[in-house]
Amino acid sequence: GESVGLHLPTLSVQEGDNSIINCAYSNSASDYFIWYKQESGKGPQFIIDIRSNMDKRQGQRVTVLLNKTVKHLSLQIAATQPGDSAVYFCAETPAGKAGTALIFGKGTTLSVSS
Amino acid sequence: GAVVSQHPSRVICKSGTSVKIECRSLDFQATTMFWYRQFPKKSLMLMATSNEGSKATYEQGVEKDKFLINHASLTLSTLTVTSAHPEDSSFYICSALTGGTHSNQPQHFGDGTRLSIL
Repeated sequence: GESVGLHLPTLSVQEGDNSIINCAYSNSASDYFIWYKQESGKGPQFIIDIRSNMDKRQGQRVTVLLNKTVKHLSLQIAATQPGDSAVYFCAETPAGKAGTALIFGKGTTLSVSS
Repeated sequence: GAVVSQHPSRVICKSGTSVKIECRSLDFQATTMFWYRQFPKKSLMLMATSNEGSKATYEQGVEKDKFLINHASLTLSTLTVTSAHPEDSSFYICSALTGGTHSNQPQHFGDGTRLSIL
């Protein structure tokens, strides 16, 4: 079935390091992907998105990479800060289902120590 | 922009009580809103899709008579947990789409409602 998963449930880094959070998806027909950040007791916060016709997209301190060959999505955070500590979810929209509910992965907890 | 407000943020009530949760899009109109449930240390699980002016679409296994959804305007959807029991205790989160139903746009989420049934 369709699913979006993450490789590691937790990731611990030092302040200032670069962080890489990975996600594998199973539906090769998915054409839209989003990364969300969720802090404790809050709703998910949009970070960055990417469409399947791209393989890289950059934002402020964040970069999303999409490898459709191996169905892999990653989020890179540059110069990680303590405020980046949160749970990160990747989510996908299957092709032809734009505007419908997202399929969420399991989440990676990022812990940043100073 | 794209702010979604959810109210209340926390509810504690007795078993058998019905609880209403509101989800509002503050600076945009949302024809479609979504209701999710999240258990501790787990991912978000879609409960239903709320469409303005029509009946909600429920996911398999979600009781529509238990979780009543009303989307009476383009800026407000409500979820009512009827006759709540301790097993209904959870974190409920809503989201809204800024784009149309056939556009790839990110969903914007409210800050959730922590429901605790005693």
